[in-house]
Amino acid sequence: GAVVSQHPSRVICKSGTSVKIECRSLDFQATTMFWYRQFPKQSLMLMATSNEGSKATYEQGVEKDKFLINHASLTLSTLTVTSAHPEDSSFYICSARGLTSGGTSSYEQYFGPGTRLTVT
Amino acid sequence: KNEVEQSPQNLTAQEGEFITINCSYSVGISALHWLQQHPGGGIVSLFMLSSGKKKHGRLIATINIQEKHSSLHITASHPRDSAVYICAGYVTRDDKIIFGKGTRLHILP
Repeated sequence: GAVVSQHPSRVICKSGTSVKIECRSLDFQATTMFWYRQFPKQSLMLMATSNEGSKATYEQGVEKDKFLINHASLTLSTLTVTSAHPEDSSFYICSARGLTSGGTSSYEQYFGPGTRLTVT
Repeated sequence: KNEVEQSPQNLTAQEGEFITINCSYSVGISALHWLQQHPGGGIVSLFMLSSGKKKHGRLIATINIQEKHSSLHITASHPRDSAVYICAGYVTRDDKIIFGKGTRLHILP
């Protein structure tokens, strides 16, 4: 199946700093990427959806100025957590999907392995 | 009530046992994912299916669209299968994935 990678897998940063997480589709063109976060022992929760070349659509309650998403190419999306605080410590996961052979959005999503962010 | 329900929430079994994890959903989905999450947090996509059955090694996933139900089976379970297994459905109407709360599996040696 298709492969989605995330970098870094783990990051520790100090409160007040910004941290960037990358999500790459390795063997297909990802027209849409999704960013999720997961708190301990909870389900994944969708933060935002980004389409290549467009502004991301954020879910209710997610601060777009705090979680900056860039999807500038068909293989790369980045999530930047700005002015990180300890409460931003979480597991961040991306997923990606491409197009069908007919040019419509595929329902097939491929998940990255996740990035564990710890803010001290 | 969660739109994607998994059972059981927790499961402990002996090595070698046949494992079944169930997933029921109440919304219209066009694809269902089974994900595995190890204690370190890393997510692995096991299956994505929209009908029938898929097999990969000791893992088998089935889905019954009419009954809105999917199962994940593990044959000859091993301690390394210990993880959280998550069922997630792609809801066509909303263009979103809805996740179950996961099943925590612990296989004893």
